[in-house]
Amino acid sequence: AQKVTQAQTEISVVEKEDVTLDCVYETRDTTYYLFWYKQPPSGELVFLIRRNSFDEQNEISGRYSWNFQKSTSSFNFTITASQVVDSAVYFCALSLMNSGYSTLTFGKGTMLLVSP
Amino acid sequence: DTEVTQTPKHLVMGMTNKKSLKCEQHMGHRAMYWYKQKAKKPPELMFVYSYEKLSINESVPSRFSPECPNSSLLNLHLHALQPEDSALYLCASSPGYRGWDEQYFGPGTRLTVT
Repeated sequence: AQKVTQAQTEISVVEKEDVTLDCVYETRDTTYYLFWYKQPPSGELVFLIRRNSFDEQNEISGRYSWNFQKSTSSFNFTITASQVVDSAVYFCALSLMNSGYSTLTFGKGTMLLVSP
Repeated sequence: DTEVTQTPKHLVMGMTNKKSLKCEQHMGHRAMYWYKQKAKKPPELMFVYSYEKLSINESVPSRFSPECPNSSLLNLHLHALQPEDSALYLCASSPGYRGWDEQYFGPGTRLTVT
């Protein structure tokens, strides 16, 4: 069975702190894709990153970085020097093939609150 | 243009009403999706359209009826809804329908059924 677990329901930090959001996934497929999405209070999910199962290189984009480790089935997301605008719910998702079409299985999300 | 638009932003309807939600994208994407999201929960997939054909229906009750008039437009027709159908309805599109295709989401329609 495929599953995405985000064990942290809510994290509160003070601005400029670094914060890591955890994501653990389960799948029997050898080819799969992992995504992170951000959902600010406005409601729109914003695509942040995609990673395929064959590419374990870490990725850095500005203050954001992602650590993909197949050995532990984890795809963690770190925000460096957090800002109030980073406050949002963050979803990790696993892309699966369903009847020949890809669908996303989301984790339950982690709400990040960054206070000034 | 990397935008998915949805109208209306908010909708309040009675259980006997008929209403429609609209979604539009002009990115040339071939797959479009409807999701339902309850408060403090992740989005739940309802329907997938690929090349304007309904590809996946995740056992959604018939009071929700999707329609894809053309490759840019996706509608969700609502009839005889229940209060538990109150939720944020999100539309998304992706370039294709394979595992690597990232989905782009609209801002959603917040639906309240009274």
